[in-house]
This record gives sequence, C-alpha cells and structure tokens, in this order.
Amino acid sequence: RKEVEQDPGPFNVPEGATVAFNCTYSNSASQSFFWYRQDCRKEPKLLMSVYSSGNEDGRFTAQLNRASQYISLLIRDSKLSDSATYLCVDSGGYQKVTFGTGTKLQVIP
Amino acid sequence: DADVTQTPRNRITKTGKRIMLECSQTKGHDRMYWYRQDPGLGLRLIYYSFDVKDINKGEISDGYSVSRQAQAKFSLSLESAIPNQTALYFCATSAQYTGELFFGEGSRLTVL
Repeated sequence: RKEVEQDPGPFNVPEGATVAFNCTYSNSASQSFFWYRQDCRKEPKLLMSVYSSGNEDGRFTAQLNRASQYISLLIRDSKLSDSATYLCVDSGGYQKVTFGTGTKLQVIP
Repeated sequence: DADVTQTPRNRITKTGKRIMLECSQTKGHDRMYWYRQDPGLGLRLIYYSFDVKDINKGEISDGYSVSRQAQAKFSLSLESAIPNQTALYFCATSAQYTGELFFGEGSRLTVL
C-alpha cells in the first residue's frame, strides 16, 4: 500500500460547483497533514494545513479523519482559477514528508 | 526575489555527462530537500539534509549525490547522467517542527 494515496482524477466540474477530494494515508502515527496546490509546470505551494480539528479558509475546508486514516479537501463555489493539481502531504512527524501523486481539478466555464 | 532559488532552470545534456543542480535559500531554514517529479509518479525524495553536517538518502538516491556547502546551499549532482533521469527537479526547505515545505521554481533536466 502506498503511504499516501490520491485519486488522480481529473475531476471536471462546472464553475460554482462544490468538489471534494480524499486522500488516504498509511502511517497511523502521523500527526499533521497538508494540502498543496501545483499549477502545471510550477512548484507546489502550500494551500492549507490540516490538524485534528480540521481547517477552513474561505471556500476551502480541510478535514482529518483519524479513525479511517484519510484527509479531505472541500472546495465550494469553484472558480476557473482553482484548476490545478492538489497534492496531499503527510508530514510524518516532520522527519519524513511524503507526497501523494496529486488529484487534478479542471473547472469548466 | 524568490526565497528558494534553483539554477539552472532548464538544462539539456547528453548521456554520460556530469550535471550539477544548485539550490540556495534566504529563508534561514536548516532543512533542505531535493525531489524529482515525473508524470504520474508525483514527487519523490532524492536526498535531504537537516543541517550542514547531515545528509540522508531519500527513496530514489541511486545515481545522485548531494553536497550541503552551507546552511543556505544544497546542490544535487548527477555523476553520469542517463535518459531516465530526465525529470523536473525541485529543491525545498523547511523549518524544524513545522512540516511546511517551501519550493524553488524547479529545474527541468533533459538527458538525451
């Protein structure tokens, strides 16, 4: 089993839609997770941190489910500019950072 | 100016050549990393360093070597480049105990 698994997509959604991605992780001892956004041929950039209580930032909500070992990212009112690849990251207690392969989102006009 | 700077940004080379990718950072972070990214495989860790005297292999270190010349500088070398090392390479830094990575803009390497 991969340490961090994501559905590669692509998720094609219309503008204004709500879309959710899940990411599963295998290390039950991991304490914190992140969502990064990566535009085509660009470097990944931090979108949100995900802690036990979850996190919300505007249209974006990240949740952690320890019992089932997954994290989720919800995007409300999708914009064209949200089109990107979203990377799930297990920080592994800060000793080893593991990336998922990413989920591609395409928001359609 | 970027906090994490990679040079060169693009490089085309031939099989067997020695290549060095350089990374410098102004964030004052102790931890530095080299990743490669291939389509469908995501980011894979090559080497990482938690301070100047610390070097650790990542999951795909074969064929690569690194040097941590100073806190701010971490270079990646391919001693004898081969075509399957064609990829997008990223340098990243992080502060201790935060887990958040800051990436350079990437170095696109093509080995013919």
